[in-house]
Amino acid sequence: GAGVSQSPRYKVAKRGQDVALRCDPISGHVSLFWYQQALGQGPEFLTYFQNEAQLDKSGLPSDRFFAERPEGSVSTLKIQRTQQEDSAVYLCASSLVPYEQYFGPGTRLTVT
Amino acid sequence: DQQVKQNSPSLSVQEGRISILNCDYTNSMFDYFLWYKKYPAEGPTFLISISSIKDKNEDGRFTVFLNKSAKHLSLHIVPSQPGDSAVYFCAAVFGNEKLTFGTGTRLTIIP
Repeated sequence: GAGVSQSPRYKVAKRGQDVALRCDPISGHVSLFWYQQALGQGPEFLTYFQNEAQLDKSGLPSDRFFAERPEGSVSTLKIQRTQQEDSAVYLCASSLVPYEQYFGPGTRLTVT
Repeated sequence: DQQVKQNSPSLSVQEGRISILNCDYTNSMFDYFLWYKKYPAEGPTFLISISSIKDKNEDGRFTVFLNKSAKHLSLHIVPSQPGDSAVYFCAAVFGNEKLTFGTGTRLTIIP
């Protein structure tokens, strides 16, 4: 079946622009996670949804970052007024069984 | 504060031999550990996991060992194959399922 998909795969934004990153989880997966992976590092947790409820947003680095999952399926991560330090790969993962998360290919964001 | 550490950024192993990847953690609250494999331009792929109540889990060529007293886990791949060349991430979890990752080890299998 189809895995987790993310779009766009690559995004170049000028500093100060707003961006929106989309995640389509595996159908039926209740849990959805966003991670940020900087170059040479492991993914770092940003936020977590169970259905449409955002249960943990402790990893969001600033109030410029906002995530939603209004119908409990597709999720969008929005970054306002992008800064150079936001340049990273943004990974989305979904899960049905606890602890076994399936990752999408990621969106590589470059802020110039 | 890096709660999950992979101290070897890279490892090269001859094809057919055993690959051993190591991971240390500091948070004793972690109750589940996972290994992910990542190819370039792809997301991490789940490989194998272990609960904190066990000390070994095996799946085909992959075995994960957990030493709770040392806060250490390792992934053994035997025999190593060229397709195993990738970056391997160790991850740990407790509570609400968010994963805490290490920085990864790049494994290269030499034919």
